[in-house]
Amino acid sequence: EIVLTQSPGTLTLSPGERATLSCRASQSVGSYLAWYQQKPGQAPRLLIYAASSGATGIPDRFSGSGSGTDFTLTISSLEPEDLAVYYCQQYDTTPFTFGPGTRVEVK
Amino acid sequence: EVQMLESGGDLAQPGGSLRLSCAASGFTFDNFAMGWVRQAPGKGLEWVSGISGHGGSRDYAASVKGRFTISRDSSQNTLHLQINNLRAEDTAMYYCVRYSGSYYLLAFWDYWGRGTRVTVSS
Repeated sequence: EIVLTQSPGTLTLSPGERATLSCRASQSVGSYLAWYQQKPGQAPRLLIYAASSGATGIPDRFSGSGSGTDFTLTISSLEPEDLAVYYCQQYDTTPFTFGPGTRVEVK
Repeated sequence: EVQMLESGGDLAQPGGSLRLSCAASGFTFDNFAMGWVRQAPGKGLEWVSGISGHGGSRDYAASVKGRFTISRDSSQNTLHLQINNLRAEDTAMYYCVRYSGSYYLLAFWDYWGRGTRVTVSS
């Protein structure tokens, strides 16, 4: 099973700041990596797929990069509504697995 | 508009059974693989099961294999998850998910339902 680790565990930033979230896989997943955002009390929603492609309707302040084992989700200018837990997920190999999440808090 | 509405979650006793359902609309149901992802209270996300667009292939997480059965009804555009021999560790919110393609390999989840809650307790 592919293990995903995410860092940091919690990220606290002010509105307008840049957020950089990392995800590392225990073995290569190519570009088969997605990012999901889960706001408090809500279901997750897809942000990024294929490591760097934005999902429909996602603001362009969200971007993804990386391949192989190291991936990054960047929020270029944090908005108050970006308060959420962000999960990376690999869909290269079953069982599909998630990282433990990064909690983003907005000051 | 793509919509998935789950139902069937309940409080159940260990060893009992539940059948979860997911009513899908806004897309051609047979063209997409479907699945279930769960989230225990205060915990992260765990993939549970997936089924191909025409139902011919299914896959399960090791933690549920032999106890859970996924199925789909094309006439009703509905996905089901039969859960038998419930355990305390099955307590979670169960989300219905749509895969991005007709097969569940190399496909991400582009739409999620709001979830249905399963609680296993005596």
